[in-house]
Amino acid sequence: QQPVQSPQAVILREGEDAVINCSSSKALYSVHWYRQKHGEAPVFLMILLKGGEQKGHEKISASFNEKKQQSSLYLTASQLSYSGTYFCGTPRGFGNEKLTFGTGTRLTIIP
Amino acid sequence: DTAVSQTPKYLVTQMGNDKSIKCEQNLGHDTMYWYKQDSKKFLKIMFSYNNKELIINETVPNRFSPKSPDKAHLNLHINSLELGDSAVYFCASSQRRGTGELFFGEGSRLTVL
Repeated sequence: QQPVQSPQAVILREGEDAVINCSSSKALYSVHWYRQKHGEAPVFLMILLKGGEQKGHEKISASFNEKKQQSSLYLTASQLSYSGTYFCGTPRGFGNEKLTFGTGTRLTIIP
Repeated sequence: DTAVSQTPKYLVTQMGNDKSIKCEQNLGHDTMYWYKQDSKKFLKIMFSYNNKELIINETVPNRFSPKSPDKAHLNLHINSLELGDSAVYFCASSQRRGTGELFFGEGSRLTVL
């Protein structure tokens, strides 16, 4: 089952904040986050391994709530370079060999 | 030096033809993958190989046949192409089965006419 992300799309002005949510119907061992710019390959942002853990990448951070089977990605003071489609990924088990990506959230940053 | 490279980048072909996509990684990773990204941008895993051994085979038609001659290479051969096969196919690799990040190739855009 594919994790569900919300919102599907969001448009922000430069400097604004955004939250992208990822929900799974199955137990999560870890959550990956990737960003894909238009016409390019997905690029890894971060992985969260423990429930409640928060990690950061530039001004992008994420949280992982095992009990709720959810993860959220926080983008603070967004920059034009943050535009792209964000995917969460959840492995079916401990290993990452079966990483199932979420439905994607398209983020557009305007000046 | 590109970490994960795929060829060709673009393929345009007729229904019923056979085509192959090649992938090579120079990261020393043990695990390689094929993902399909459709027009709605959904990224779906197709196959996963660990050290030349097939470990994941999602519900993919048997017209798709992956082959890994060694752990640095993973190729995808598609027989009797159909319109619905049109998509971007991404190769990826990661360190041995664990929780490490996936490194993606640039993708191969397949258009079936």
